[in-house]
Amino acid sequence: QKEVEQDPGPLSVPEGAIVSLNCTYSNSAFQYFMWYRQYSRKGPELLMYTYSSGNKEDGRFTAQVDKSSKYISLFIRDSQPSDSATYLCAMGRSGTGNQFYFGTGTSLTVIP
Amino acid sequence: SAVISQKPSRDICQRGTSLTIQCQVDSQVTMMFWYRQQPGQSLTLIATANQGSEATYESGFVIDKFPISRPNLTFSTLTVSNMSPEDSSIYLCSVRVSDYGYTFGSGTRLTVV
Repeated sequence: QKEVEQDPGPLSVPEGAIVSLNCTYSNSAFQYFMWYRQYSRKGPELLMYTYSSGNKEDGRFTAQVDKSSKYISLFIRDSQPSDSATYLCAMGRSGTGNQFYFGTGTSLTVIP
Repeated sequence: SAVISQKPSRDICQRGTSLTIQCQVDSQVTMMFWYRQQPGQSLTLIATANQGSEATYESGFVIDKFPISRPNLTFSTLTVSNMSPEDSSIYLCSVRVSDYGYTFGSGTRLTVV
């Protein structure tokens, strides 16, 4: 079983739509949950992070973590064409010597 | 957060040759991580490069194929040796500067023909 599972999509939505991206994981020791955004021909960049369970909101983006279900989500409100990218979830344990585990990424296209 | 410069950004290489990828960080970091990103697959950790010691390789990756150097706290190289078309991928270096802060280089897109 993979550490992290993510639907690869692709996902195509009209501008202004609400987008929901999801990942499941198997390791209950994970404490840090991140979402990375990767534009074409660029490295991933950290978009949002949460610690343990709960919600975190940043502008049009909301990250949710449900540790009991081992399920995390990223919601994008009022999606824009500039949101078109691949979104990767990542998670890990405490300590900078520990690696993160990544999902395969979901490709999102927002159509004007 | 750290800024990483990675080069080359892309290359097309002949089968059987080797390519060395360089990664420069603008601050001193203890550990640097090398990832491979293949189409449709998650980022896969190749190895962890610790300054002053041998790199630690993940299952499925060996030093003879992916030798790594880490001469100081701001620089590392990854060599892809004796390349075959199966090595065509994006290679990324990264540093973890906090519990949640993982910074990546822009990647090296390698095509082996």
